[in-house]
Amino acid sequence: GNSVTQMEGPVTLSEEAFLTINCTYTATGYPSLFWYVQYPGEGLQLLLKATKADDKGSNKGFEATYRKETTSFHLEKGSVQVSDSAVYFCALRLIQGAQKLVFGQGTRLTINP
Amino acid sequence: EAQVTQNPRYLITVTGKKLTVTCSQNMNHEYMSWYRQDPGLGLRQIYYSMNVEVTDKGDVPEGYKVSRKEKRNFPLILESPSPNQTSLYFCASNPGSTTDTQYFGPGTRLTVL
Repeated sequence: GNSVTQMEGPVTLSEEAFLTINCTYTATGYPSLFWYVQYPGEGLQLLLKATKADDKGSNKGFEATYRKETTSFHLEKGSVQVSDSAVYFCALRLIQGAQKLVFGQGTRLTINP
Repeated sequence: EAQVTQNPRYLITVTGKKLTVTCSQNMNHEYMSWYRQDPGLGLRQIYYSMNVEVTDKGDVPEGYKVSRKEKRNFPLILESPSPNQTSLYFCASNPGSTTDTQYFGPGTRLTVL
């Protein structure tokens, strides 16, 4: 089946630290890959996306590269800020069928000043 | 402003009392979906709709109904709510392409006593 696995949280870092949140996927075919962010009390917002192998998505200092050979889409940021504290979801989107997003379980990130 | 709206945002109800959560989008999107978010499970699709009068089950449809009589609206109906339907619910819409961003509503937190 199709699934997404994210690193276990919660993750707590100090401001200006380097961030990596691991994400691997299993899918039939070649999905599009996404990172969504959920700030406290809000809905999900798209952070970045990649639609084919070796594509790099980037936004707000975050980056992730679609690695087909390792079926991964790890999220990175060089220097995190307190305002990055949120829950991050990795997701894939299938080409056929239900047009649904298949989500990982989410990783809660807390950045301390 | 392009948006997905949901109502109510918060609801506490009792077992067996029928309820409806409304969802509306103003972007003329064809695809709409309902997800539930539970701790440790990420988001899971309940139902989706590919256009007016076209709906289908997602991964966890039991205990839910939907309708799509107009393009902009996609209500979620719980005919006889049970405590295991206590969750955070999100409506989402997208234009239709597999690479397009899904737009999420702000969420409805439902508690069934």
